[in-house]
Amino acid sequence: QVKLLQSGAELVKPGASVKLSCKTSGFTFSTSYMSWLKQVPGPSIEWIGWIYAGDGGTNYNQKFKGKATLTVDKSSSTAYMDLSSLTSEDAAVYFCARLTYSGYFDYWGQGVMVTVSS
Amino acid sequence: DIVLTQSPALAVSLEQRATISCKTSQNVDNYGISYMHWYQQKPGQQPKLLIYEGSNLASGIPARFSGSGSGTDFTLTIDPVEADDIATYYCQQSKDYPNTFGAGTKLELK
Repeated sequence: QVKLLQSGAELVKPGASVKLSCKTSGFTFSTSYMSWLKQVPGPSIEWIGWIYAGDGGTNYNQKFKGKATLTVDKSSSTAYMDLSSLTSEDAAVYFCARLTYSGYFDYWGQGVMVTVSS
Repeated sequence: DIVLTQSPALAVSLEQRATISCKTSQNVDNYGISYMHWYQQKPGQQPKLLIYEGSNLASGIPARFSGSGSGTDFTLTIDPVEADDIATYYCQQSKDYPNTFGAGTKLELK
């Protein structure tokens, strides 16, 4: 069955970067669109961007340009997201999800909490 | 960005009907398809897809969940409500970039 397994919780210092991973199985990764989303209690869920695993093409929410960088490794069916120059506003739970052509997210990873603290 | 507005909470009794609304700031229909989707999220878990394209039931989702609406007004109905349905429900539009979500409706027991 479809699985998206995310890396563990991260504690990072302000100004640092972090790379989150999302290892997938159970579907053809190389022809899939993978998305990342941010959830902070109250403000709800925000879409960060998507990456097409076939050619690495990306589309970002303007709000996250310069903050997030999406990449994939087709050999291991894994999607990655780099978050740079972290501040307290980046503290959140981040999810990876498979994006369908119609724009909804049919499978989600379990989420990873990122804490930003010195 | 398209803004999605949901009521923060809804109190319901078990075995009754729950109706959760989502209003969008712009039309999210295109060529006869409503680009409106619904998710359920329980504490500490990832969101789960319930309804896609306005009214289509996602795989494995019980038939007591249904979606309706068009344009700017959409509804998720749970009938009858079971104890396992106590969760937060989010609507999401994919008509325009960026995809946006509502703030969620927390379903509570009366």
